[in-house]
Amino acid sequence: GIQVEQSPPDLILQEGANSTLRCNFSDSVNNLQWFHQNPWGQLINLFYIPSGTKQNGRLSATTVATERYSLLYISSSQTTDSGVYFCAVELVDNFNKFYFGSGTKLNVKP
Amino acid sequence: GAGVSQSPRYKVAKRGQDVALRCDPISGHVSLFWYQQALGQGPEFLTYFQNEAQLDKSGLPSDRFFAERPEGSVSTLKIQRTQQEDSAVYLCASSSPKQGKTQYFGPGTRLLVL
Repeated sequence: GIQVEQSPPDLILQEGANSTLRCNFSDSVNNLQWFHQNPWGQLINLFYIPSGTKQNGRLSATTVATERYSLLYISSSQTTDSGVYFCAVELVDNFNKFYFGSGTKLNVKP
Repeated sequence: GAGVSQSPRYKVAKRGQDVALRCDPISGHVSLFWYQQALGQGPEFLTYFQNEAQLDKSGLPSDRFFAERPEGSVSTLKIQRTQQEDSAVYLCASSSPKQGKTQYFGPGTRLLVL
C-alpha cells in the first residue's frame, strides 16, 4: 500500500520562529490535504492542495505532485500553533479513501 | 452553520459489550467518512458513504464493526463484542463536492474498552 511519511516527527520552536514540515508519498495522488490537530484532539483542515502553492495568513503549502511531496510552511510561529500536523492523501486509483501520515508534533514555546 | 458533531464524546465499555457511536455531518454533505485513531498515530480509514450508500468498507478491521447511514444524513458506527484493541478515538468527517474534497472532522468519540 501507499506510504505517507512525515518529517520531522517532533519539532520544538521558540515563538516567532519559522518552520517547514514535509510529507512524502509513494504513489500518484488525486488529493492532498494538510490538517492541524489541536491539543484537544480536534482536526482542522488547513489546505486542500493536490498541486501548486497556497497561502493562508502565516501558513502556506506547496505540493509537487510529480516528485511526490508536499511542504507546509509556518512563519512567525505562535503558541497556538502547537499540536500535531497531518497530511492525508487520496490515491488516483482509489477515490475517497484517504491515507494519513503519522504526523509532526509541534511544540511552540513562549 | 453547525459543524460535524459526534456522540458520545467518551465511552467506557466492558469487554464483550456492544457500542454504538453517532455522527451528525454538516447539513447537505453527501460524503461521510469514519476513521479510527490510535494514541500517537494518524487517523486510519474505516469506511466511506456517499449519501446512504456505503461505497467502501475496506478499512473495517473485522466483522464486529458495522456502519450505516440509512437516510443519507446521520451515521452510526457499531462495534459488537468489544475487545481491548478497539480502544481508540473514532473520528467522523464529512465533505461536499461543492467544496472540493475538503474534509470537516467532528470532535471524535474516545472509546475505552476495559
